[in-house]
Amino acid sequence: QKEVEQNSGPLSVPEGAIASLNCTYSDRGSQSFFWYRQYSGKSPELIMSIYSNGDKEDGRFTAQLNKASQYVSLLIRDSQPSDSATYLCALWAGGSYIPTFGRGTSLIVHP
Amino acid sequence: GAGVSQSPSNKVTEKGKDVELRCDPISGHTALYWYRQRLGQGLEFLIYFQGNSAPDKSGLPSDRFSAERTGESVSTLTIQRTQQEDSAVYLCASSRRQGNIEAFFGQGTRLTVV
Repeated sequence: QKEVEQNSGPLSVPEGAIASLNCTYSDRGSQSFFWYRQYSGKSPELIMSIYSNGDKEDGRFTAQLNKASQYVSLLIRDSQPSDSATYLCALWAGGSYIPTFGRGTSLIVHP
Repeated sequence: GAGVSQSPSNKVTEKGKDVELRCDPISGHTALYWYRQRLGQGLEFLIYFQGNSAPDKSGLPSDRFSAERTGESVSTLTIQRTQQEDSAVYLCASSRRQGNIEAFFGQGTRLTVV
């Protein structure tokens, strides 16, 4: 069973803080990992991809991957109210042609 | 096109009617996916197309659901004899090739069965 686990939240952080979103997965053969942002009533929007262990930074976003521990995380620095959304973790499990999505973590950034 | 395009954006239909949803992928994207998202729920995989290969239909919930795609072009998802439980947002995504590659979503079709 290929599973992606996320805490559903909501995760509430004050404006300007660092928001930390976590995702664990069960298939050690997973190779590619993605974070999507989904605003209420909208479709998922790809914001980060990461393929190798370590950190990948893009603006205020940092994705972290640890394949040995089977987790991937997303850090959002200087959180803004506009970051309030559901964040979906996705991956391609080993040998699969279909991305598997977690159920998402709801993030609320309050002023 | 610039992005994945889905039509219609919204569809209200009567129970028992058939509906057809359309997805136009990003040009050059050979892989195409359909997902369903019920209100407040996660993404539910429906079907996957890769080029001219046989589609992976393992996620289709019943034989009332079918989908077609000709080559690497437009795909249509058809739901026959719609039921109220079919009410959801139907999302289409495409990627450049199969596996391990970023997938981009269309804006979705919100289907309401009354």
